[in-house]
Amino acid sequence: GESVGLHLPTLSVQEGDNSIINCAYSNSASDYFIWYKQESGKGPQFIIDIRSNMDKRQGQRVTVLLNKTVKHLSLQIAATQPGDSAVYFCAEALYNTDKLIFGTGTRLQVFP
Amino acid sequence: SAVISQKPSRDICQRGTSLTIQCQVDSQVTMMFWYRQQPGQSLTLIATANQGSEATYESGFVIDKFPISRPNLTFSTLTVSNMSPEDSSIYLCSVAGGDEQFFGPGTRLTVL
Repeated sequence: GESVGLHLPTLSVQEGDNSIINCAYSNSASDYFIWYKQESGKGPQFIIDIRSNMDKRQGQRVTVLLNKTVKHLSLQIAATQPGDSAVYFCAEALYNTDKLIFGTGTRLQVFP
Repeated sequence: SAVISQKPSRDICQRGTSLTIQCQVDSQVTMMFWYRQQPGQSLTLIATANQGSEATYESGFVIDKFPISRPNLTFSTLTVSNMSPEDSSIYLCSVAGGDEQFFGPGTRLTVL
């Protein structure tokens, strides 16, 4: 099937290491941010979200950090596993809308 | 979370023809969206499918090229009209459920 992220930046990590994926968002009026994981042949899968009144949010093995000053978002994955291999997209939503603006994406490759 | 299905999952079409993609959700939702993901690229919002009224298109997308129907709160269609090879993409529908937005598996379109 078609591959996602053929031309995207790639982050390669060893299994068990922590991964950090970064994203610069575009609009200072955005107040809601989401990280999605997309495996080849599938639609994006919600991972974690954060609102602009927070600067950190933790989930299971994942943490999202938001720096509104420099319009930067990061996704940290602890103890990265082979199943984490995928393309990761950040997305932003303007205040009071559900329309998402997606970032360019990063391909995460996990080696044993 | 909402369960979203799309038909067809993939198709290969001749230029100049049209293809209608169906999106079915397992629960009633207010907001449905259509996105395009060109090969190796991120997702771009095409339009918001409004129930009972005309879809709202984003800049660069027009109704004549991408007519959308939304007859009820669980179903929508996107037609890609008068196709050219540049329309080869993955087309995804999504629904907003609370804060989260869920995506269908996508329809992989190749235009020859």
